[in-house]
Amino acid sequence: EPEVTQTPSHQVTQMGQEVILRCVPISNHLYFYWYRQILGQKVEFLVSFYNNEISEKSEIFDDQFSVERPDGSNFTLKIRSTKLEDSAMYFCASSESSSRRVAYGYTFGSGTRLTVV
Amino acid sequence: DAKTTQPNSMESNEEEPVHLPCNHSTISGTDYIHWYRQLPSQGPEYVIHGLTSNVNNRMASLAIAEDRKSSTLILHRATLRDAAVYYCILAVINTDKLIFGTGTRLQVFP
Repeated sequence: EPEVTQTPSHQVTQMGQEVILRCVPISNHLYFYWYRQILGQKVEFLVSFYNNEISEKSEIFDDQFSVERPDGSNFTLKIRSTKLEDSAMYFCASSESSSRRVAYGYTFGSGTRLTVV
Repeated sequence: DAKTTQPNSMESNEEEPVHLPCNHSTISGTDYIHWYRQLPSQGPEYVIHGLTSNVNNRMASLAIAEDRKSSTLILHRATLRDAAVYYCILAVINTDKLIFGTGTRLQVFP
């Protein structure tokens, strides 16, 4: 069964450093997403991406964050100048192209645990 | 944001059916009902979704009330691997995001 692959599984970084979280979505999917889950809290939407541009973002997704599809297979989330409160599990997801995207299920990756120290 | 209400927790014995309820009284006509589950230390996993009619797949069945204000996820024979948090989510047609609540934590006993 096709999978969304995320690397690394665990990343430790010092406060103030930049991190890049990587994802390989399912090959025939065209919509991509990032979500995060702070330990013990709900899964929160960050951003959606289609046709090389952001289609929707949450209030959490401020100027500290950026996304990119650098090479047609990878989808990355960059966090600049990390803060302690950025520590969380970050999940990438993808879904099939459709004018009614919610008519399809979303496939999530296993996540990257980001720890900011 | 479209809101759902689920019990915080439920228990089941292995190989018994499990019915996980969800109330969504403010659902609009174009909202899809999605169910996801999250096993410990894993990402959310798609289970099933529907709009108006009941749905079956290899993982589960989804029973949708005639007025669409509630739905029930049915696991026909619970296994230990089904122990997870189950999320009922209304997927709104004009937005990309899924809004996760706190879900129902299902415990399965041998």
